[in-house]
Amino acid sequence: DGGITQSPKYLFRKEGQNVTLSCEQNLNHDAMYWYRQDPGQGLRLIYYSQIVNDFQKGDIAEGYSVSREKKESFPLTVTSAQKNPTAFYLCASSITGRITSGNTIYFGEGSWLTVV
Amino acid sequence: DAKTTQPPSMDCAEGRAANLPCNHSTISGNEYVYWYRQIHSQGPQYIIHGLKNNETNEMASLIITEDRKSSTLILPHATLRDTAVYYCIVSHYGQNFVFGPGTRLSVLP
Repeated sequence: DGGITQSPKYLFRKEGQNVTLSCEQNLNHDAMYWYRQDPGQGLRLIYYSQIVNDFQKGDIAEGYSVSREKKESFPLTVTSAQKNPTAFYLCASSITGRITSGNTIYFGEGSWLTVV
Repeated sequence: DAKTTQPPSMDCAEGRAANLPCNHSTISGNEYVYWYRQIHSQGPQYIIHGLKNNETNEMASLIITEDRKSSTLILPHATLRDTAVYYCIVSHYGQNFVFGPGTRLSVLP
């Protein structure tokens, strides 16, 4: 099936530890995104990548890092520098980030991260 | 990016049409209007998008006013499974979508 796969669905992290969330897509999309969602809130952009080996900070990049070594993969690392990491994390992709014909973003099912 | 304004919550009776409004008075000429919905603890689901003309697909219809300053998402026959948070977004080139709090639609039996 084509789509975006996030793993794990639920993850617990001890304070001071880094943790990496996986995102894989087989849609052949160039652009990928990471959003964070807190309970009852909208989505906030963490990082986005328009092409392999390139990525840009979003609105709340502090305490997070990403890599884009392959077109289909865009892992997110939540570092110990992120003071309030407990949240719902969503990965998304789109054909490209630059077209003018009304690009559409598609989302994975999300990963819950809890700091214990 | 243009900002949108949506009512925080709405109710709709099962089987009736659900009409969800969105104001985007600062939208620019090359920005599209998108609608997504999110069921609790799931990723947002794309519904529909448009630029100027009204659009319809198997899920919903999108009505955009002539001045493009507002739009309405119509679910023609709402079911209990349509209960979700609905997001209206305007975006240039389709990137850096800004998701506000959306409208929480409750479909009542």
